Amino acid sequence: DSGVTQTPKHLITATGQRVTLRCSPRSGDLSVYWYQQSLDQGLQFLIQYYNGEERAKGNILERFSAQQFPDLHSELNLSSLELGDSALYFCASSNWGGSTDTQYFGPGTRLTVL
Amino acid sequence: LAKTTQPISMDSYEGQEVNITCSHNNIATNDYITWYQQFPSQGPRFIIQGYKTKVTNEVASLFIPADRKSSTLSLPRVSLSDTAVYYCLVGDRGNTPLVFGKGTRLSVIA
Repeated sequence: DSGVTQTPKHLITATGQRVTLRCSPRSGDLSVYWYQQSLDQGLQFLIQYYNGEERAKGNILERFSAQQFPDLHSELNLSSLELGDSALYFCASSNWGGSTDTQYFGPGTRLTVL
Repeated sequence: LAKTTQPISMDSYEGQEVNITCSHNNIATNDYITWYQQFPSQGPRFIIQGYKTKVTNEVASLFIPADRKSSTLSLPRVSLSDTAVYYCLVGDRGNTPLVFGKGTRLSVIA
């Protein structure tokens, strides 16, 4: 158990819909990362937050947005969903957010768009 | 960011030592090398990190030659439970996020 929690574990929805994925970081970690992993694909970095502020942005679509709240939990919002958005979405947390800081990954949310 | 290249897949028998080499020809002076392991349908897990020479922990060893243009993750006496994808990442202590890529898929055979 990494100490990072993600909800829900599974999500099934239809094209065009909007969903929210939630992540609670490890106690004491200030940085949160979001990743997308499609079937047989590597981990695609989406976005990183540090202590409530956006720190880095990767290949995140404009239909996707995220935020980190004062209690440090984070939410990833996916809107106007398409079939191609079906994937495993991982959240990770780290202590100080540097690129050599160990990232602890949650169990993931499996999103299926029908 | 230094680009990394590693084999797409490897097979090994149980009990053997497995060495996975990662090439990072344009590694910068301040860059560290980090390896993660990912089991199917789970998030990656940190294995080991190093800057130069050799680092060993209870899970693996990391060998980094003097020119640091490559690194080798060594898993001693693998078991079926070591079947996973192994990612090699390179980055400095700055804020630029690491790139995971597609990793090396290790299959351990009984």
